[in-house]
Amino acid sequence: AQSVTQLGSHVSVSEGALVLLRCNYSSSVPPYLFWYVQYPNQGLQLLLKYTTGATLVKGINGFEAEFKKSETSFHLTKPSAHMSDAAEYFCAVSEGGYSGGGADGLTFGKGTHLIIQP
Amino acid sequence: GAGVSQSPSNKVTEKGKDVELRCDPISGHTALYWYRQSLGQGLEFLIYFQGNSAPDKSGLPSDRFSAERTGGSVSTLTIQRTQQEDSAVYLCASIKDRGGLGDTQYFGPGTRLTVL
Repeated sequence: AQSVTQLGSHVSVSEGALVLLRCNYSSSVPPYLFWYVQYPNQGLQLLLKYTTGATLVKGINGFEAEFKKSETSFHLTKPSAHMSDAAEYFCAVSEGGYSGGGADGLTFGKGTHLIIQP
Repeated sequence: GAGVSQSPSNKVTEKGKDVELRCDPISGHTALYWYRQSLGQGLEFLIYFQGNSAPDKSGLPSDRFSAERTGGSVSTLTIQRTQQEDSAVYLCASIKDRGGLGDTQYFGPGTRLTVL
């Protein structure tokens, strides 16, 4: 069975500072990994995903994440935080073979609420 | 429309009543997923449809929950005899080809259900 752990239910950074949101996963097969963002009263929007190939993945809004198999991690970073980045961020994993989601859907972490201090 | 739509956006109901939640996926998307998002539980997978078929319904929380999809398009999630613990945001997602590396799940805005 696969699982996702997001360290820190709340992360607070100053505007302009580095954003680092941590995600560790467990999977018995090579994983497909995702980061989604959820703004208040909205659905989830894909930030980026890792399927195969380059382990450093660039996404929208200046975010990127690096897949590290040895550490079973997929941490999300952004060099300089903006006020508009304040939102809930979810890391997710899909079982091998279905990069878009298996019959069990995506397995999500519990989310990290990112707070941006002016 | 261009995206996944869900209705109603908000639903307040009394304990014991039945509710029906609707999801309109992106046209041409073959697979559809329902998730539940509640405080403390995060995002929980409920059920998956490939076309009109749901191979596994074991993710539904109880037998009060049922779901169907017709015409390979619209899906409804029905909760009978609602309980307060059913209060949550119900999210729907669709994907064109879940095996395609270039594809992904697109989520609707959700239905916020409140059971009084």
